[in-house]
Amino acid sequence: DAKTTQPPSMDCAEGRAANLPCNHSTISGNEYVYWYRQIHSQGPQYIIHGLKNNETNEMASLIITEDRKSSTLILPHATLRDTAVYYCIVRSLYNQGGKLIFGQGTELSVKP
Amino acid sequence: ETGVTQSPTHLIKTRGQQVTLRCSSQSGHNTVSWYQQALGQGPQFIFQYYREEENGRGNFPPRFSGLQFPNYSSELNVNALELDDSALYLCASSLERGAGGELFFGEGSRLTVL
Repeated sequence: DAKTTQPPSMDCAEGRAANLPCNHSTISGNEYVYWYRQIHSQGPQYIIHGLKNNETNEMASLIITEDRKSSTLILPHATLRDTAVYYCIVRSLYNQGGKLIFGQGTELSVKP
Repeated sequence: ETGVTQSPTHLIKTRGQQVTLRCSSQSGHNTVSWYQQALGQGPQFIFQYYREEENGRGNFPPRFSGLQFPNYSSELNVNALELDDSALYLCASSLERGAGGELFFGEGSRLTVL
């Protein structure tokens, strides 16, 4: 699975959009981009995933560039409860189920 | 709530001892994976079980072993504990072995080795 690069930390004002970037320049055609987050002292939580089209669900939006070498996770109206470490993960279509390669992630702090 | 439960939540062991951690998967999930998360690091994949057989392993020595039972619950066993085994151990379940599905994580078992 391809490697990802994320900024170690970011701040965001409560109520504003949080835009978390991820670089995955070596991604291959059969690899998805996944986002998970981990709130302090809890297990990671799935947020969203995509292959090449932009995706949106009730939690967030995922924007993937046309060349697929980078992506951005958008939390449209960040709240204090969105403070967490956010992990961008690239995962092969042929990856057998439960194996995810976590990097260091981005520690997002949402401030009042 | 993910429906994945782990026990115990915290435990303390001494170097050289053995530990067993338990995980109850979300109902209907037949794949379980285990992760080790050291302080300040992202989770690292230990291994995965699918229908009671090990089905993929990360870079962990053989003293890390596991079991999956017919009801899809699982155990992680660590023998000859070392100080560096102190970590949060996470269990995750998923519906199928293939890619595309999300993983549901438990809250973890925090192991301290003295």
